[in-house]
Amino acid sequence: SQKIEQNSEALNIQEGKTATLTCNYTNYSPAYLQWYRQDPGRGPVFLLLIRENEKEKRKERLKVTFDTTLKQSLFHITASQPADSATYLCALALNAGNMLTFGGGTRLMVKP
Amino acid sequence: ETGVTQTPRHLVMGMTNKKSLKCEQHLGHNAMYWYKQSAKKPLELMFVYSLEERVENNSVPSRFSPECPNSSHLFLHLHTLQPEDSALYLCASSLAGLAGGEQFFGPGTRLTVL
Repeated sequence: SQKIEQNSEALNIQEGKTATLTCNYTNYSPAYLQWYRQDPGRGPVFLLLIRENEKEKRKERLKVTFDTTLKQSLFHITASQPADSATYLCALALNAGNMLTFGGGTRLMVKP
Repeated sequence: ETGVTQTPRHLVMGMTNKKSLKCEQHLGHNAMYWYKQSAKKPLELMFVYSLEERVENNSVPSRFSPECPNSSHLFLHLHTLQPEDSALYLCASSLAGLAGGEQFFGPGTRLTVL
């Protein structure tokens, strides 16, 4: 069966360190992978998109990698700040259409 | 007002009530979505409208009935719900046909069914 797995346990890190979150998938061949941030009581906010033929994407302190052989994406936040504390969701788009399938999210806590 | 708005933000209803959730987007998008987010579970796609036509109905019970009168508005009509339908209902919009296009979410409606 198809699965998207994100670590359901919270990730606690110290301010200034690099946070690394993992998204693993099975029985999918996604054309695109997206990362979203969700704060409590609010809707998700888009952060980054990476295509199946791209290995890495960067945006300011954010970096996403996409390994279609390992079926894994890594999401990095460098020089993390307490304001980065949130739940981060990965989502797969299977084709050029609009439909996304989301993982369960990983909660990140950055301590000052 | 900008972005994607949803009303009401909170709703408590009994199992015999009929209510509607409303979503409005001010982004010029032409695809709209309803998602359900329950505690400890991933976002579940419920319905997709693209160019005002329903293109996806993800095996959702008939007690949920969507309506998309135009590309800016989306409704979710609720009737005879069950307590397990209590969740955060999120609306999103995007540009139809934009490959892998990002979705813009509203703040959600927190629904409690008694």
